[in-house]
Amino acid sequence: DIQMTQSPSSLSASVGDRITITCRASQRIPTYLNWYQQRPGKAPNLLIYEASNLRSGVPSRFSGSGSGTDFALTITGLQPEDFATYYCQQTYSSPTFGQGTKLEIK
Amino acid sequence: DVQLVEAGGGLIQPGGSLRLSCAVSGFTVSTAYMNWVRQAPGRRPEWVSVIYRGGATHYGDSVRGRFTISGDDLKNVLYLQMNSLRVEDTAVYFCARGRDGFPYQFDDWGQGTLVTVSS
Repeated sequence: DIQMTQSPSSLSASVGDRITITCRASQRIPTYLNWYQQRPGKAPNLLIYEASNLRSGVPSRFSGSGSGTDFALTITGLQPEDFATYYCQQTYSSPTFGQGTKLEIK
Repeated sequence: DVQLVEAGGGLIQPGGSLRLSCAVSGFTVSTAYMNWVRQAPGRRPEWVSVIYRGGATHYGDSVRGRFTISGDDLKNVLYLQMNSLRVEDTAVYFCARGRDGFPYQFDDWGQGTLVTVSS
């Protein structure tokens, strides 16, 4: 299996901040990388697919970048509803997820 | 509107069997890539299984040989038959639809059903 490692595991930030979460794959996965947001007690919600494509309906403050083994999710201008846990997921082979990044209000 | 509603979870002893269902509306199960994804408490999601539009199925290493995914077009329901359950199968089980043409980009999810394997 391809291992996905996110950094940091948790992050404190304020409304209006710009934050970046990184995700590293244990082998090259071109751009077979997706990002999800998960709120407590809810299913994950797809935000970004194929590393940098914003899913329809997702606010433009979310953006994704990267290729190969290193990827990033950036949120520019945090809103109160953005405080949640974020997961990266590779789909180059049998899908696997990163361990998650919990974004908390400072 | 697309809707997915899971059912069938509960408390089961190790070695037991359980069948989960996912009732779908807004599309037909056989026209989509349908997956089961599970998430143990406080852990990352884990992909379990997929059934392709043509009927081909694939499984994660941890469930292969024990779980079976299937779909019923008449009822428009996705199933997951789980046999030889283990304590480590304890999780919330979600059904999820792959984005059109991309089986593992999960763009629609159900609310999940909790399976607890314990003696």
